[in-house]
Amino acid sequence: GENVEQHPSTLSVQEGDSAVIKCTYSDSASNYFPWYKQELGKRPQLIIDIRSNVGEKKDQRIAVTLNKTAKHFSLHITETQPEDSAVYFCAAVAPGGSQGNLIFGKGTKLSVKP
Amino acid sequence: KAGVTQTPRYLIKTRGQQVTLSCSPISGHRSVSWYQQTPGQGLQFLFEYFSETQRNKGNFPGRFSGRQFSNSRSEMNVSTLELGDSALYLCASSLIERGTGELFFGEGSRLTVL
Repeated sequence: GENVEQHPSTLSVQEGDSAVIKCTYSDSASNYFPWYKQELGKRPQLIIDIRSNVGEKKDQRIAVTLNKTAKHFSLHITETQPEDSAVYFCAAVAPGGSQGNLIFGKGTKLSVKP
Repeated sequence: KAGVTQTPRYLIKTRGQQVTLSCSPISGHRSVSWYQQTPGQGLQFLFEYFSETQRNKGNFPGRFSGRQFSNSRSEMNVSTLELGDSALYLCASSLIERGTGELFFGEGSRLTVL
């Protein structure tokens, strides 16, 4: 089945710096890749997603890139702020699954130091 | 619009007991998914329901089961609890018909097995 690897597991940056989180997936048939942010003690929330027919998507300070050939996708956060501190999860739709059936990476704990 | 509601929020059980968790999706959402979140394994997919039918099931033992009612509310049951079942159980709903792909998570039910 689908497997999603996420790196790094922890990431510490200074406020204003950029942060990059990388994920790889195993099934070339996967076609939907969301990113969820989970603040401490709160529920995961979708921050951005990308479909396999698109190579890059931006939303203000957040961008996601997808390389289908290499089967990896990345989250880029520019001009980081303390409120960006959270755990970020990448995910892919499982083979034969639907958008409610996501395979998540194990998460990256991002700490933004003021 | 009310969000996804999960009950109970916290519960403590002993090994061998069973537990039932409830999830009320966002009004109009017909797809409900369940995930187990633990510090070591991250978010793992349990099952997905749509219109009272289980569409997908994750790699969990048969002790984990679920169902969905005609009003889209869902329950999951874990029988013969083990210490390793201690986790945060998250329910998520989505509006599959529109293909937005976004999962809206509840705040979770935190289960502790002693």
